Amino acid sequence: AQKVTQAQTEISVVEKEDVTLDCVYETRDTTYYLFWYKQPPSGELVFLIRRNSFDEQNEISGRYSWNFQKSTSSFNFTITASQVVDSAVYFCAIRTGANSKLTFGKGITLSVRP
Amino acid sequence: DTAVSQTPKYLVTQMGNDKSIKCEQNLGHDTMYWYKQDSKKFLKIMFSYNNKELIINETVPNRFSPKSPDKAHLNLHINSLELGDSAVYFCASSQGLGLAATDTQYFGPGTRLTVL
Repeated sequence: AQKVTQAQTEISVVEKEDVTLDCVYETRDTTYYLFWYKQPPSGELVFLIRRNSFDEQNEISGRYSWNFQKSTSSFNFTITASQVVDSAVYFCAIRTGANSKLTFGKGITLSVRP
Repeated sequence: DTAVSQTPKYLVTQMGNDKSIKCEQNLGHDTMYWYKQDSKKFLKIMFSYNNKELIINETVPNRFSPKSPDKAHLNLHINSLELGDSAVYFCASSQGLGLAATDTQYFGPGTRLTVL
């Protein structure tokens, strides 16, 4: 069975600070997919990124970047120059196996203060 | 155009009632899911259907019965509602199944169910 641990529960930063959200995963499968989703106060779940287990390249998308390290089973998410609109709950998730279900971490509540 | 839609957005009902939540996707996906988000924001899979066939049933009480009339729809019917059923229910869809499924799961806006 797979598991995702998001040890940070709540993070509060001041606008323009950089912030890193940690994600550690567990699986015995060699092929898997990792995801980050954002849940703003309005409640919807917004897909941010998918990364497969064979692709350890870091990814940057605007102010967002992701660092995938198989050696430490981590898939961390950094927001550079945070903005108030980044305030949300961020979920890391993993998908393995034959049935495609997503296993989520407990989420990190990020508050960005002006 | 809304990719994954759910109705209703809010549902308030009394204990013991039966209610349904509907989900539709226009992405052409063949796999659909129901997830439950509890009051602590924890998200957990409930069911998954692929081409109208039940694939995942995660030890959900049998008061919950999903129905998929076609690939684009997955409804959730709940009998004899209990206080503990209060949660946000999310529908999602993706293309393919298992590790051959490289597509991402896209989520609907959620249905907030409150049982009084």
